[in-house]
Amino acid sequence: AQSVAQPEDQVNVAEGNPLTVKCTYSVSGNPYLFWYVQYPNRGLQFLLKYITGDNLVKGSYGFEAEFNKSQTSFHLKKPSALVSDSALYFCAVSPSGGYQKVTFGIGTKLQVIP
Amino acid sequence: GAVVSQHPSWVICKSGTSVKIECRSLDFQATTMFWYRQFPKQSLMLMATSNEGSKATYEQGVEKDKFLINHASLTLSTLTVTSAHPEDSSFYICSARDNRGDTQYFGPGTRLTVL
Repeated sequence: AQSVAQPEDQVNVAEGNPLTVKCTYSVSGNPYLFWYVQYPNRGLQFLLKYITGDNLVKGSYGFEAEFNKSQTSFHLKKPSALVSDSALYFCAVSPSGGYQKVTFGIGTKLQVIP
Repeated sequence: GAVVSQHPSWVICKSGTSVKIECRSLDFQATTMFWYRQFPKQSLMLMATSNEGSKATYEQGVEKDKFLINHASLTLSTLTVTSAHPEDSSFYICSARDNRGDTQYFGPGTRLTVL
């Protein structure tokens, strides 16, 4: 069975500092990997995805993520955090090929401190 | 592109009444939509997969007679919570899968409060 682990319930970072939100996964075969962000009382917004190709994926709002097959990781990063980045972040995985079931992590709360 | 709307954004109802929530893909056609439930400080719980023109597929433990799903067109899926009770109070979120079949786009969610 596929799974996603987000080992940190909360990540605190000072505004202007780089941020990393961790995600590791388990899936049969090659993965499709996703990051979503959720603001309070809102649905999830798509940030970025890895399907194939370059391991470094760039997404919305200056976020990027690096696919590391050997470590089965897909950590979310941003060079300089903004207070407005404070939100709940979800990592998700599915088997490759499309039309597959997607499994979400439990979410990591990012708090950017002014 | 890839915008999904959800209506209503919040609803308060009395115990025993039914509530319908609509999910629409505004700029793409979605043969598959998903309904999730989210409890406070918890991840998403997939309730069911809604397929256009066919019956929904419910996850284990989800009562299909209580949570009625209809996906009558390629842009609209509805979730009806029948005979709602306070324990059904939650945040319900829908998503629609894009035409490539690999990415889900989410609606803004519906906060249901049953008194």
